[in-house]
Amino acid sequence: AQSVAQPEDQVNVAEGNPLTVKCTYSVSGNPYLFWYVQYPNRGLQFLLKYITGDNLVKGSYGFEAEFNKSQTSFHLKKPSALVSDSALYFCAVRDNRYGGSQGNLIFGKGTKLSVKP
Amino acid sequence: GAGVSQSPSNKVTEKGKDVELRCDPISGHTALYWYRQSLGQGLEFLIYFQGNSAPDKSGLPSDRFSAERTGGSVSTLTIQRTQQEDSAVYLCASSSQGAELFFGSGTQLSVL
Repeated sequence: AQSVAQPEDQVNVAEGNPLTVKCTYSVSGNPYLFWYVQYPNRGLQFLLKYITGDNLVKGSYGFEAEFNKSQTSFHLKKPSALVSDSALYFCAVRDNRYGGSQGNLIFGKGTKLSVKP
Repeated sequence: GAGVSQSPSNKVTEKGKDVELRCDPISGHTALYWYRQSLGQGLEFLIYFQGNSAPDKSGLPSDRFSAERTGGSVSTLTIQRTQQEDSAVYLCASSSQGAELFFGSGTQLSVL
């Protein structure tokens, strides 16, 4: 079955330090991978995606993610965390039943990121 | 419109009543999705519309849930005979083919 795992419910980081939010996936065929962020009482906002090409993907707000096929991972990273990055982060993979470019996204349970001053 | 619009933003209903939730997707987006987010939980897929194809209803939790998409645009999610466990935030999203999903702000449903 296709799935996404976010092994950490919460990640705590000091402002200015690098941050990593982990994500692993299980999907048949080539994965289409996404990261979304949800601020309190807001909808989900798209951060970045991996479809094909360079394994290091850059996205909004200084975030980036590295696709690692051998480890089936797509960890979200940022070199220097800000207090304003504190939010709920979701990793997702496109359901491959429809053949790649179509289909719903399967989401992980989310990781709460807390950045302290 | 500029983004995905959902209404109402909040809905309080009594157990056993029917509710309708509305979603206006981004103009031109062929795909529309409904998800449910319960407190402390991730996003649960409900239903997916793609163009004129038959919708993927595989995520609907029971036959009390149904959805329509009229004219390839606006969608309505209907929950009949609501139960307390239906309380959640219902999120709608739309996308063009192959692209990322754009989400609305959601409808907070509370069943008393």
